[in-house]
This record gives sequence, structure tokens and C-alpha cells, in this order.
Amino acid sequence: DGGITQSPKYLFRKEGQNVTLSCEQNLNHDAMYWYRQDPGQGLRLIYYSQIVNDFQKGDIAEGYSVSREKKESFPLTVTSAQKNPTAFYLCASSFGRNQETQYFGPGTRLLVL
Amino acid sequence: DAKTTQPPSMDCAEGRAANLPCNHSTISGNEYVYWYRQIHSQGPQYIIHGLKNNETNEMASLIITEDRKSSTLILPHATLRDTAVYYCIVIGWRDDKIIFGKGTRLHILP
Repeated sequence: DGGITQSPKYLFRKEGQNVTLSCEQNLNHDAMYWYRQDPGQGLRLIYYSQIVNDFQKGDIAEGYSVSREKKESFPLTVTSAQKNPTAFYLCASSFGRNQETQYFGPGTRLLVL
Repeated sequence: DAKTTQPPSMDCAEGRAANLPCNHSTISGNEYVYWYRQIHSQGPQYIIHGLKNNETNEMASLIITEDRKSSTLILPHATLRDTAVYYCIVIGWRDDKIIFGKGTRLHILP
């Protein structure tokens, strides 16, 4: 089955620790996106990538980093510089930019110990 | 900032049509109206999109006013499983990202 997967479903981070959230898609999509959602809020864009080996900052990129070494994968690292990392993180992909429908993964909930 | 305005919440009786409004008064000619929904603790799900004509698919209908400054998403026979936050989004052909507002939280009442 084609789809987009995220792992783990729940992730716990200790103070000062970097953690990496996985996002994989087998839809042959060129573009991938990371969003953050806080309780009662809409989604905010962290980073996006339109093609392999290229990515751009979204609206709230500070404290996060990404890589896009493979078309299928777009991991997000939450660094220790992100002072308020507790949130629901959603990964999405689409065939390309410009009005293409985005397909979302099931999300990863990050909690700080 | 989101280019759309939606009511924060709405109620609808089960089995009735749910009509969710969206204002996008600054929409330009090449911008589409998209609707997504997010059921609690899941990723958003695409519902429907349109440019200026009304659209219908197996999930919903989209009615866009002639001046394109507003639209309505219609769920014809709402069920409890339609309880979700519904996002109305405007996307232009030059856009490489979409901006989600806070959406409308739809409560389906049994």
C-alpha cells in the first residue's frame, strides 16, 4: 500500500537532547513538509523540501533541522535549541508544489521529560 | 497569515447537512480553495478543492460564490465520524507551501 509513515508515534525528549522524527513515503512524491501543531491551534510549517538535496525554512524553523538525502525520506531533528518542543508533529508529501494535494502521515507526539 | 476566515466552531445534528462557511475576500484569480479536515490526533485529510465552479465528490460538495470571495463546504448527511476540525485554505499556483489557519471545529450531535 502506498502511503506516508511517521515514527515513533510518541517520543520523549530529555532536556538538552536532540531527537529525530522519521518520515517516509512511498508515493513517489517530490515534495515533503513538516508541520507543528500545538493544542487548539492550526498547523505551522517548519521546513519543506521540493526536491532531493534541497529544503527551505518555513515559518518556525528555529531549533529544528532537516535533511533530504533520499526522495522517500525527510527526517526532522528537534535540537536542544528548541525551547518548547512539546507538540504534535505532522509530515506531509505531495507530487510537487503549486496546488498539489498534500497527504499527511499519522503524526508524532513529542513530549519533554 | 492565513488568507481565510472561518468560524471557530459549529454544531450539526447527525443526519443533517453540515454547511461550513469560509471567507476569502482577498482571493486572486489563480488561487484555488482547498478543504482539509483533521480528526483528533490524526494527520489532516484532503476533502475537496475548486477554482470557481462548484465541485462534488464522494465526501462533500464545495460551493464557491460567483465573486469567489467566500465558499461553503457541504457534508450532505453528517455522521458522528465527521466530527473534526475543518480547514479552508487558499493556494496560488506560485505557492510552494500552504498556510493552515485555526479552522472550524465541527461537532456532530447525536
